[in-house]
Amino acid sequence: GAVVSQHPSRVICKSGTSVKIECRSLDFQATTMFWYRQFPKQSLMLMATSNEGSKATYEQGVEKDKFLINHASLTLSTLTVTSAHPEDSSFYICSAPGSGNTQYFGPGTRLTVL
Amino acid sequence: TQLLEQSPQFLSIQEGENLTVYCNSSSVFSSLQWYRQEPGEGPVLLVTVVTGGEVKKLKRLTFQFGDARKDSSLHITAAQPGDTGLYLCAGDPGSNYKLTFGKGTLLTVNP
Repeated sequence: GAVVSQHPSRVICKSGTSVKIECRSLDFQATTMFWYRQFPKQSLMLMATSNEGSKATYEQGVEKDKFLINHASLTLSTLTVTSAHPEDSSFYICSAPGSGNTQYFGPGTRLTVL
Repeated sequence: TQLLEQSPQFLSIQEGENLTVYCNSSSVFSSLQWYRQEPGEGPVLLVTVVTGGEVKKLKRLTFQFGDARKDSSLHITAAQPGDTGLYLCAGDPGSNYKLTFGKGTLLTVNP
């Protein structure tokens, strides 16, 4: 089946620094990928839609200058959390749609900002 | 904006009991997907229901899609500790790949 990977799986950074998270579709191409944020014991909150070859589409309330998204190729999307603060600490998950709009999720990235 | 109301939000039961999780919406979805997520991992697809009235079974799990394609249920028979996890329903509007997620049901099955 289709596989989506994320890197890194865990990252700890200091407040004020930027962190880049990669999402790759390993055996299929994805012109669209989605980035979610998840707080403990809660559901996924869609942050933005990453579009290959064009700008990302952000959900209401998500700062585009804070969460930079680049869909560099048909298999790679990156999310950069700029000037991270402790409130940005969360579990970030990406997904890519496969056949029949089945969404394949990455394993997630745990971000901790000190 | 399409909304999916998922209930219950938390459920703690004993091994061997049965349970049902519900997802309801006022909107019609072209399909509805159920996922299970374990702590620190991404959601894993359990099933996709597409046709109104459809019933799918996956071992002890039974999934149903409402006739009007606005609601769905997940029934687990004789729950086991290995069923513990966060269960998510997600509706697909069919136009832009963007899923609408329910709030999730955190299930704990105690031995």
